[in-house]
Amino acid sequence: DAGVTQSPTHLIKTRGQQVTLRCSPISGHKSVSWYQQVLGQGPQFIFQYYEKEERGRGNFPDRFSARQFPNYSSELNVNALLLGDSALYLCASSLYSGQTNEQFFGPGTRLTVL
Amino acid sequence: GQQVMQIPQYQHVQEGEDFTTYCNSSTTLSNIQWYKQRPGGHPVFLIQLVKSGEVKKQKRLTFQFGEAKKNSSLHITATQTTDVGTYFCAGQTGNQFYFGTGTSLTVIP
Repeated sequence: DAGVTQSPTHLIKTRGQQVTLRCSPISGHKSVSWYQQVLGQGPQFIFQYYEKEERGRGNFPDRFSARQFPNYSSELNVNALLLGDSALYLCASSLYSGQTNEQFFGPGTRLTVL
Repeated sequence: GQQVMQIPQYQHVQEGEDFTTYCNSSTTLSNIQWYKQRPGGHPVFLIQLVKSGEVKKQKRLTFQFGEAKKNSSLHITATQTTDVGTYFCAGQTGNQFYFGTGTSLTVIP
């Protein structure tokens, strides 16, 4: 079975631009979470979606938004990019929301903002 | 706000020595997970602890969840070079996961 997939793998943008990152969860997983990982730090929680509804939101500005589609894939959008948005963006899928269970992480999208 | 701290930040050990990383939360957690991230890789799930005082073992790895559900530890017995990586705890409160700052383990052959 395929694991969590993310696209693109790398992305270079300039300040002020907008970016859309994509994630496909493991087949059968209905929950998708997004994390931002700056080099040398732990992943920071951005959003969790379950059954197409937002179930959790981290401490990120409104420039960050996400959605989940009927096939449970997800997109993360970031508007008005800042230099500080440069990071590895990780998507994780799991079977359930609420009751914790194993999160399977994708390889991430490396975003560089110039 | 919610914070999850880990100590130490870095640990260098000789192969065969033991290793322990500690995770402390500013608030009570509903549960805690541990992940391992190799350099250039993504976090890989190791284990989940739910109950107060819970202890779980995976071969040379021992995981513990504190009585107050605010702290946790990961102990590796007789480290091997394959144990190299950064170990993160991740505590859950509601529907949010708070990853710790991580402990980077280097094993010297």
